[in-house]
Amino acid sequence: AQSVSQHNHHVILSEAASLELGCNYSYGGTVNLFWYVQYPGQHLQLLLKYFSGDPLVKGIKGFEAEFIKSKFSFNLRKPSVQWSDTAEYFCAVNNRDDKIIFGKGTRLHILP
Amino acid sequence: DTGVSQDPRHKITKRGQNVTFRCDPISEHNRLYWYRQTLGQGPEFLTYFQNEAQLEKSRLLSDRFSAERPKGSFSTLEIQRTEQGDSAMYLCASSLLTGGHNEQFFGPGTRLTVL
Repeated sequence: AQSVSQHNHHVILSEAASLELGCNYSYGGTVNLFWYVQYPGQHLQLLLKYFSGDPLVKGIKGFEAEFIKSKFSFNLRKPSVQWSDTAEYFCAVNNRDDKIIFGKGTRLHILP
Repeated sequence: DTGVSQDPRHKITKRGQNVTFRCDPISEHNRLYWYRQTLGQGPEFLTYFQNEAQLEKSRLLSDRFSAERPKGSFSTLEIQRTEQGDSAMYLCASSLLTGGHNEQFFGPGTRLTVL
């Protein structure tokens, strides 16, 4: 069955720390990969996406993610987090024109 | 605002009542999706439309749930005889399927509380 696994449910970091959120997926065939973010009280927003090409993709607010096909992974990174990055982050995958399968999310708390 | 809009934003109802939610997608988008998100979980797919045709329904969508997109524009999701387990955030998303790429844009959601 298609699934997305996020390694951490809750992460707490201090400002300026580096961030890496793990994501693995189980999905046959060609995939699109996404990271969505949900800030407190706001709706889901797309952080970055991978459709094809360069496996290192850059998104908004200094985030990036690397698609490693052999590991079925799409980890999210940011070299230096800010307090405003406090949010819930969702890794997601779909098969081109299909519905999106989301992971359970990672709650990120940044301590000022 | 040209994003996806949903109405109402919040709905409180008593068990057994019927509720209906509306989603207005981005105007040129041909695909419209409904998802449900419960506390501590990521959004889960319910159903989607291409234009007015409903192409797929999740097994999460019991017989009490029905969705329509009559003219290929806005969509409604109705829940009949609501149960406490229906309490969740109901999300709508839309996309323009081109070249096999399907980036979905999400609305703010309708939070349903069933008492």
